Amino acid sequence: NAGVTQTPKFRILKIGQSMTLQCTQDMNHNYMYWYRQDPGMGLKLIYYSVGAGITDKGEVPNGYNVSRSTTEDFPLRLELAAPSQTSVYFCASSPGWGAFFGQGTRLTVV
Amino acid sequence: QQQVKQSPQSLIVQKGGISIINCAYENTAFDYFPWYQQFPGKGPALLIAIRPDVSEKKEGRFTISFNKSAKQFSLHIMDSQPGDSATYFCAASIHGSSNTGKLIFGQGTTLQVKP
Repeated sequence: NAGVTQTPKFRILKIGQSMTLQCTQDMNHNYMYWYRQDPGMGLKLIYYSVGAGITDKGEVPNGYNVSRSTTEDFPLRLELAAPSQTSVYFCASSPGWGAFFGQGTRLTVV
Repeated sequence: QQQVKQSPQSLIVQKGGISIINCAYENTAFDYFPWYQQFPGKGPALLIAIRPDVSEKKEGRFTISFNKSAKQFSLHIMDSQPGDSATYFCAASIHGSSNTGKLIFGQGTTLQVKP
């Protein structure tokens, strides 16, 4: 069972570049989330989705966008990358209680 | 009101000892309190969880104690082992309507168990 799969695992971006972080889950969960993790700050919710076609902002959405065209996929788009977006990004899915996390994407913006 | 406060930030325990991590919350609408364990370079993994209708839940060496009136909950790791060395996060969420499943995390506790 693959669970939640994130790609890429590592990426270095230059300021102003854009990229998409991919996330796919094979557990048929309706709920999906994107979190960022910064040292000593826990995990902060960026965006979430309660089902295909439905997305909403979390606590720290500025500079990001998402889409949810299928149950399985929930990509996160970074437009005009800034150094403040240097972080580890985690995608998660949930059947409603608890969440299952991917392995993360470590992003550095230079 | 959406915050979950976790302490201590770091913890060093001898092998065989008890590790205790505490969390406090304000929002009484929270109805699910999980603990996650994270090893370096990995994603958080669900360790144990509790709902507010019970005061304690035990799974092996891991126990959650829940105090609804004080709005506090804690993780106890009995007979701590070097393999338990990791970062632990408490979290809370609300279920129902558009809030379902959104986890609010504490700041994390780095646990080191010395041999």
